[in-house]
This record gives sequence, structure tokens and C-alpha cells, in this order.
Amino acid sequence: EDKVVQSPLSLVVHEGDTVTLNCSYEVTNFRSLLWYKQEKKAPTFLFMLTSSGIEKKSGRLSSILDKKELFSILNITATQTGDSAIYLCAVAGTGNQFYFGTGTSLTVIP
Amino acid sequence: EAQVTQNPRYLITVTGKKLTVTCSQNMNHEYMSWYRQDPGLGLRQIYYSMNVEVTDKGDVPEGYKVSRKEKRNFPLILESPSPNQTSLYFCASKVEGWGSPLHFGNGTRLTVT
Repeated sequence: EDKVVQSPLSLVVHEGDTVTLNCSYEVTNFRSLLWYKQEKKAPTFLFMLTSSGIEKKSGRLSSILDKKELFSILNITATQTGDSAIYLCAVAGTGNQFYFGTGTSLTVIP
Repeated sequence: EAQVTQNPRYLITVTGKKLTVTCSQNMNHEYMSWYRQDPGLGLRQIYYSMNVEVTDKGDVPEGYKVSRKEKRNFPLILESPSPNQTSLYFCASKVEGWGSPLHFGNGTRLTVT
């Protein structure tokens, strides 16, 4: 059965902390792994990863994929209250199906 | 502005009363799909469509129907809604091919009593 597992389920940190969110997967015919940020509405796209070991970076956020060990991490440095959200990991597999994890809820306290 | 538009944003209905949630995208995307999001279960794919007149079941298609008569529209139909279909629904679209992300609508919160 195809599945995506995210950890931790929730996280509370103080502004300025660095956080690491984890995503492991077992998906037939892996095509790509995507990270999304969801505040109170639609998930918004952060990164798409297809190759192992190549870091994608956008400001304070970065992500990397390990296709041998079947996982990805999302790092957020110098967290701000605006980073509070649910972070979703998704994997595209066979036949254009997307498999989502349950998400990590991040709360950043001032 | 490029976007995926869902309507309505909120819907409260009763068991058995047929309803349709509309989804429209203005990006000329070939691929469209529907998801439901439930606490502890994440986003689960209901149906998807690779192009006009082509639809396929996702992981949780029971109790739902879709159609893709035009490229821009992909309505979700609940012929006889039940309380276990109370959920937050998202429509998404993307360009065909592996190298493109999903773009989501703002969601429809459905309550079936």
C-alpha cells in the first residue's frame, strides 16, 4: 500500500528557532516529492524534489530528498510567527496519483 | 490572475439531497483532481482527470461522481450525501507531466446532517 508518513505530528517552537520536518514514503513508481504550506485555506506550493541530494532553497526554507532511504526533510531556520501552519508532504506516483501525509502542525510562539 | 475557483466555500445540507461543488481553473491545465481533507487522515484523492472526457478513481471515490466535459471545469457531484462525507474538499489542477506541482482552490467546507 502506498503511503506517506510525516513526523512530528505537531511542533511548538519559539521565534528564532530552527525546525526540521520529516517525510518518509513508500510509493510505487516514485515520480516526485512536494512540500506545501497550509494556513487556513488552500495549500500553497513550496518545493518539488525529484533528485537525491540536491537541496532546494527559498529564503529561510530548504528541503532535500534521499531516494535511497525514501525520505525528505524540510528545514526552516530563524522561524517567525508567520511560519505557523500545517506543512504537507506529497508524493506523485503511478498514474498521476498524489499521496499526502497527514501533515505537521507548526506553531511559532513570539 | 491564475487560479482555481471552487464554489461554494461553505455548504450545509441534509442526508440524501443531491449537491454539486463546482471547480474551474483558468490556467489551461490538463490535469484536475478532487481531494477531501479530514483530521488525522490528511488529504485523500477522490477522483482525477488527465484531460477532457478522461476521469479515474482515486483512493476514496465511493459516493462521488465527477465529469470533465470542458477542460476548465471539473465538478464534484454527491448524488446522495451522507454524514460521513462531511469534510473539507479541495479541487486542484496542474499542467500535464511529472515536473509540475498541484495548484489548489480555496476549499469547500461541507457539512451533511
